[in-house]
Amino acid sequence: DTGVSQDPRHKITKRGQNVTFRCDPISEHNRLYWYRQTLGQGPEFLTYFQNEAQLEKSRLLSDRFSAERPKGSFSTLEIQRTEQGDSAMYLCASSLIVGQINEKLFFGSGTQLSVL
Amino acid sequence: AQKITQTQPGMFVQEKEAVTLDCTYDTSDPSYGLFWYKQPSSGEMIFLIYQGSYDQQNATEGRYSLNFQKARKSANLVISASQLGDSAMYFCAMREQGAQKLVFGQGTRLTINP
Repeated sequence: DTGVSQDPRHKITKRGQNVTFRCDPISEHNRLYWYRQTLGQGPEFLTYFQNEAQLEKSRLLSDRFSAERPKGSFSTLEIQRTEQGDSAMYLCASSLIVGQINEKLFFGSGTQLSVL
Repeated sequence: AQKITQTQPGMFVQEKEAVTLDCTYDTSDPSYGLFWYKQPSSGEMIFLIYQGSYDQQNATEGRYSLNFQKARKSANLVISASQLGDSAMYFCAMREQGAQKLVFGQGTRLTINP
């Protein structure tokens, strides 16, 4: 069990640029989540995948955001035309127990995005 | 809509003392689960403890216990014999039956003083 891995750990970009983050979940975990966390707040749900299917997207996920999980393993989150308001920690989580109320999420260390 | 409230932005405790972190929640669903996560400065959210709405007993995991008061809609985390390594952000979270996402509170920053 190598844990959830996220890359990069930090990303600094200029407003208007595109950025892409990667998440490698724990192997055999078939559910993958993306959350966003701003300073002093708890994580907010963005989207989740079950295998390669994206099953739910939050209203927070504007059309500048896109997430993929092409083979049901790693996932990418892309933000196009970044804005200063996109500055946040982007957390990825995975889980194995699916569809049960006690489903426990395993989180990565996050990607800290700073938009200048 | 489900909502989690953590009213303590920061807590300061002496090492080896017990500490209680408050969490209240709001839901109209009779079936739900409550979680506590720890987030050290490294950023990773670490699962601590889980309590189901129908569980008869309060959950315990080592030094962590959950003081679940269903009628008051509270799920406070109790850490016994605090250690310096317990210094971190602590988040309460809830999932309703049939929902896939966890909804988090704003967190409490716990600082353990030597």
